[in-house]
Amino acid sequence: QFVLTQSPSASASLGASVKLTCTLSSGHSSYAIAWHQRQPEKGPRYLMKVNSDGSYSKGDGIPDRFSGSSSGAERYLTISSLQSEDEADYYCQTWGSGIAWVFGGGTKLTVL
Amino acid sequence: EVLLSESGGGLVQPGGSLRLSCAASGFTFSSYAMNWVRQAPGKGLEWVSAISGSADSTHYAGSVKGRFTISRDNSKNTVHLLMNSLRADDTAVYYCTREEWFGELLTSDYWGQGTLVTVSS
Repeated sequence: QFVLTQSPSASASLGASVKLTCTLSSGHSSYAIAWHQRQPEKGPRYLMKVNSDGSYSKGDGIPDRFSGSSSGAERYLTISSLQSEDEADYYCQTWGSGIAWVFGGGTKLTVL
Repeated sequence: EVLLSESGGGLVQPGGSLRLSCAASGFTFSSYAMNWVRQAPGKGLEWVSAISGSADSTHYAGSVKGRFTISRDNSKNTVHLLMNSLRADDTAVYYCTREEWFGELLTSDYWGQGTLVTVSS
């Protein structure tokens, strides 16, 4: 079964950096993933695609503070210079012809 | 600017029906497949349904297959989701999304604000 695993919560201080992790289930470490952000009371926003080789490409208007990377079956979203508006839920997502759409459970980021 | 605006949500009794609509602007609507994704209270995101740009292909999650029908009107830049035989576990915020391919990855590159559907007696 194809599963994306995310920690339920994370926290970091205003102005600091945080690295969120999305782990692909065994046998699927070559898949690219997307990161989406859902701020309170807003619809989600596409942030970026992260490839298995660590390269990433961001969506329209996404600040430079947001970056992506990879290591094995893990895909990362790093947010630097944290701002209050970064407090949100972050979801990873992927797709495969035999698995259709898969979302991770989401990570709730608290900015202290 | 790409904008997606959902409407049609509300309170409906179990077994009832509801039709959601999504008005799109800011892009060539017929060139893009469109999706519905939902989020139940306290839960994560769940893909629901997709329709191709020309409306000749539709796809559904197993949890809604046979009960939900997706359609689109390219002359009005709108996509609809007709939901029948609604159950309590269909309660969720429903998001309209634009589908995009980034290489081998299929994802949603724009999302609406969502519309809340509550199924309860």
